[in-house]
Amino acid sequence: GQQVMQIPQYQHVQEGEDFTTYCNSSTTLSNIQWYKQRPGGHPVFLIQLVKSGEVKKQKRLTFQFGEAKKNSSLHITATQTTDVGTYFCARGPGTYKYIFGTGTRLKVLA
Amino acid sequence: KAGVTQTPRYLIKTRGQQVTLSCSPISGHRSVSWYQQTPGQGLQFLFEYFSETQRNKGNFPGRFSGRQFSNSRSEMNVSTLELGDSALYLCASSLGWGQPQHFGDGTRLSIL
Repeated sequence: GQQVMQIPQYQHVQEGEDFTTYCNSSTTLSNIQWYKQRPGGHPVFLIQLVKSGEVKKQKRLTFQFGEAKKNSSLHITATQTTDVGTYFCARGPGTYKYIFGTGTRLKVLA
Repeated sequence: KAGVTQTPRYLIKTRGQQVTLSCSPISGHRSVSWYQQTPGQGLQFLFEYFSETQRNKGNFPGRFSGRQFSNSRSEMNVSTLELGDSALYLCASSLGWGQPQHFGDGTRLSIL
């Protein structure tokens, strides 16, 4: 019911290639947050999307919220080795409870 | 501004023991959430506190409990530890619900 699926689970790319991770929910999301966790580190907040169809950019990162507010994506243009880590989406807030996606682990090969 | 501080960073316990983990949120943050992170299950929500009140709880057994103090610092307690409790326990604070969460470095708990 409240699961948030992320695909792919793993992605290996050559440096300079693009990367996209998708977050899908079976129910409508009030908002969605994206986090990045470097190996051995803790999740770091990237962005929050609230409005249907919203698109936000942060340098090489583009975040989208679906029109139906049931899915979201994170696209990285021209990956760099510093992009390595696991990217999580988090749905919420429900009743004061965030549900994190399964995460996409990105490896960038130099 | 100091970040979220979790203590201890590492802990080794044996089955049946109990453990208390501590989290000091960013100054001014009143919402504190706890998560369990394991390779197999990812980030699982444990509970959320705001102004000393637990507002929601995840699907964990009653052995997992927490509290929040008037200065917003929070503790979580796990009693009768099991091997499966081995995990990284993360605390996150925010200004309020729906706001960005700021995570601490976590406490890595190993059960022998």
